[in-house]
Amino acid sequence: VQLVESGGDVVQPGRSLRLSCAVSGFTFKTYGMHWVRQAPGKGLEWVTVISFDGSNTYYADSVKGRFTVSRDNSKNTLYLQMSSLRAEDTALYYCARESPSSVSLDYWGQGTLVTVSS
Amino acid sequence: DIELAQSPGTLSLSPGERATLSCRASQSVSSTYLAWYQQKPGQAPTLLIYGASTRATGIPDRFSGSGSGTDFTLTISRLEPEDFAVYYCQHYGSSPPKFTFGPGTKVDIK
Repeated sequence: VQLVESGGDVVQPGRSLRLSCAVSGFTFKTYGMHWVRQAPGKGLEWVTVISFDGSNTYYADSVKGRFTVSRDNSKNTLYLQMSSLRAEDTALYYCARESPSSVSLDYWGQGTLVTVSS
Repeated sequence: DIELAQSPGTLSLSPGERATLSCRASQSVSSTYLAWYQQKPGQAPTLLIYGASTRATGIPDRFSGSGSGTDFTLTISRLEPEDFAVYYCQHYGSSPPKFTFGPGTKVDIK
């Protein structure tokens, strides 16, 4: 099982950015997927979840209306479209797989860094 | 919304000692939806325990989880050098679906 995030960058406040998470080693289309972030030196913050088929999505209040999660099951790829970025969105963004046997995150990528700064 | 508090913030112990980490929920939660993760510096978190007490695949049996209601505990029976890390508890809430993490407990070498 591998999850590889990409797309992190330094962006100005108010701009947009799209993150990707390419997965391999499991049947992507059968798993719910999450994004979790970690600000520098801080704890973990759950961001969003998308169901296995993309039909259901849920967001943390801190990103609702600004971030959109999506997936392309034909490409085994998860996305996070981030808009109206703020300084407080600066973090390492992880994608993670939801375990089918328990509501927990059993595999994580190594993260991609998003820095929002003017 | 359910909030998770973890104590202590930092636990200073020596290799071979027993570590007891606490996670307290702001209201009673189902143990089915309580998990623990370990995060080492510069690494992604790894799942240790799910369902409050079930070890994830490949996790050594020196790690154990217990608890119910509002109080949950992660115990490391004998600390190995590789166990010095930050530990997070996590709860899944279903209405609407969301994950909540505790602030973490750092276990460092005394």
